[in-house]
Amino acid sequence: QVQLQESGPGLVKPSQTLSLTCAVSGGSISSGHYYWTWIRQPAGKGLEWIGRIYTSGSTNYNPSLKSRVTISVDTSKNQFSLKLSSVTAADTAVYYCARGRFGERLDYWGQGTLVTVSS
Amino acid sequence: QSVLTQPPSVSGAPGQRVTISCTGSRSNIGASSDVHWYQQLPGTAPKLLIYGNSNRPSGVPDRFSGSTSGTSASLAITGLQAEDEADYYCQSYDSSLSGYVVFGGGTKLTVL
Repeated sequence: QVQLQESGPGLVKPSQTLSLTCAVSGGSISSGHYYWTWIRQPAGKGLEWIGRIYTSGSTNYNPSLKSRVTISVDTSKNQFSLKLSSVTAADTAVYYCARGRFGERLDYWGQGTLVTVSS
Repeated sequence: QSVLTQPPSVSGAPGQRVTISCTGSRSNIGASSDVHWYQQLPGTAPKLLIYGNSNRPSGVPDRFSGSTSGTSASLAITGLQAEDEADYYCQSYDSSLSGYVVFGGGTKLTVL
């Protein structure tokens, strides 16, 4: 059973960079049939796709966030990471990592981690 | 403003049937991109409920079904149960710009 676990600071100051890591267990992140993605959800609101990475290193980002987002993968540690720069209060949300597969379905999700942007 | 449009809320009595719509466009559902549905119980991560328009992952009751037509998709829940009260999200892929995954705004299902 694949499991994903997000980790990182729960509080980030405005204008700084938000950094999160997703550790994958129960399977290799390098398995060729999957990709790895980040999604966020502000309190009381819907889901927003942030972007994804294949283990080849190829990435795709949400056009609305593209200028501020970097997703990377570390196959040696079986984990992938998110960096979101120049954050504002609007970036306060629960951040989820998930596994994606053929047809773009997201079949395994982490439990989510709350990141608050505040001084 | 979500790329996929869902009603904010639906409700039904136990045992009844409800449907949740998801309206897209020619660049996502209308382009034959798969539609997936997720159930999010309060305080938990979303769970894959329907994939590839109409397929259920192992363990999902057959009370849940999905369908698509043109630029829209629907999730139907029959034999409503109290534990079905949750938020439901549709998701697809939009081929506009450089291509990206899109979600509906979510629908809150209340079991009366």
